[in-house]
Amino acid sequence: AQSVTQLGSHVSVSEGALVLLRCNYSSSVPPYLFWYVQYPNQGLQLLLKYTSAATLVKGINGFEAEFKKSETSFHLTKPSAHMSDAAEYFCAVSSEGTGGFKTIFGAGTRLFVKA
Amino acid sequence: EAGVAQSPRYKIIEKRQSVAFWCNPISGHATLYWYQQILGQGPKLLIQFQNNGVVDDSQLPKDRFSAERLKGVDSTLKIQPAKLEDSAVYLCASSSLDPEAFFGQGTRLTVV
Repeated sequence: AQSVTQLGSHVSVSEGALVLLRCNYSSSVPPYLFWYVQYPNQGLQLLLKYTSAATLVKGINGFEAEFKKSETSFHLTKPSAHMSDAAEYFCAVSSEGTGGFKTIFGAGTRLFVKA
Repeated sequence: EAGVAQSPRYKIIEKRQSVAFWCNPISGHATLYWYQQILGQGPKLLIQFQNNGVVDDSQLPKDRFSAERLKGVDSTLKIQPAKLEDSAVYLCASSSLDPEAFFGQGTRLTVV
């Protein structure tokens, strides 16, 4: 069974400050891990993904995440927040089963960026 | 490459009415997902198709929800009769042979 926990339903940072969004997962098999971003009235857009290659994954818009197996974590970071980063962020875990991959999403973290 | 297309974008209906949503996945994607996203929550998988076969519908309220994917391409999700708690965004996604899913813009359903 898989599950995803995102710590903090809301995170607020100042423009130019470090962004850290936390995600912990559980999976009985080696997982694939994802971060998606959702802007108002839009679908989900992939930020980055971990697929068992490098543990430090770089994504779009300056975001990156590090897979830490010992901590079962996949936290998302960005060195310097921009106003346009304000959105909802979802961590997801996926594993392959009968009929394809099954993906479970966390509850989401809303990022606020203050000027 | 065209993305996942969904229609309508918005729908308002009264409780006990029926509604249908349509999804056209990315060409060649064998797997199609329907997710329900209630305000303030993450997407919850309702049903997953592999080509035109159902591989997971464990969280689909089958007494009122139904979905089909005839010919293994586009799909329709239906709710009949709708309840107030069905108010949500319904997201369609598709994927090929890897786990990365591509999402449509969603259909926002309001049941009054």
